[in-house]
Amino acid sequence: DAGVIQSPRHEVTEMGQEVTLRCKPISGHNSLFWYRQTMMRGLELLIYFNNNVPIDDSGMPEDRFSAKMPNASFSTLKIQPSEPRDSAVYFCASSDEGGGNQPQHFGDGTRLSIL
Amino acid sequence: GNSVTQMEGPVTLSEEAFLTINCTYTATGYPSLFWYVQYPGEGLQLLLKATKADDKGSNKGFEATYRKETTSFHLEKGSVQVSDSAVYFCALSEGTSYDKVIFGPGTSLSVIP
Repeated sequence: DAGVIQSPRHEVTEMGQEVTLRCKPISGHNSLFWYRQTMMRGLELLIYFNNNVPIDDSGMPEDRFSAKMPNASFSTLKIQPSEPRDSAVYFCASSDEGGGNQPQHFGDGTRLSIL
Repeated sequence: GNSVTQMEGPVTLSEEAFLTINCTYTATGYPSLFWYVQYPGEGLQLLLKATKADDKGSNKGFEATYRKETTSFHLEKGSVQVSDSAVYFCALSEGTSYDKVIFGPGTSLSVIP
């Protein structure tokens, strides 16, 4: 079975540009999570969805960040406008809803650099 | 609120040395506990888990026992290899149906030949 697929793997863009990160969760998984990882702040949960509905977006740092999940097989994380401090590795993860006992399956991440 | 604390890194060991990475947690209720590992350039992947007190999770020579009395879930391996060099994250579930977890800060391990 294919794992969580993220694209692009690397993104380099200039500040002020719009950035869109994409995620395809594992088929059949009900929950989807977006994380950001930096050396300074570690792994931060940005937002998570259950059955395509956003459950908690309290980790989204600013209004410049938005996330959508239009269907069970696709999610996007958008940054508009981007800033250099948004540079990080962004991970998407999915899990098979199981009452809190199921592990999360991570993609390989998108390494974002804002110049 | 729920939280996870783990030992500061980086940890550097020689090949075949014994490994312990300490993890303690604060939680209400009865969380499940996890260890994840992250190899360079990759996402996190589950290493092992335990879902109730006194359970022992094990995988690839790694073990951890869910100790409710000490609120701990220490990771151990009897003989580390160079290929074990990675960042290790302790985590707990919040017990919701959404599988949200709280991750510790991670401990970097380097194993030298």
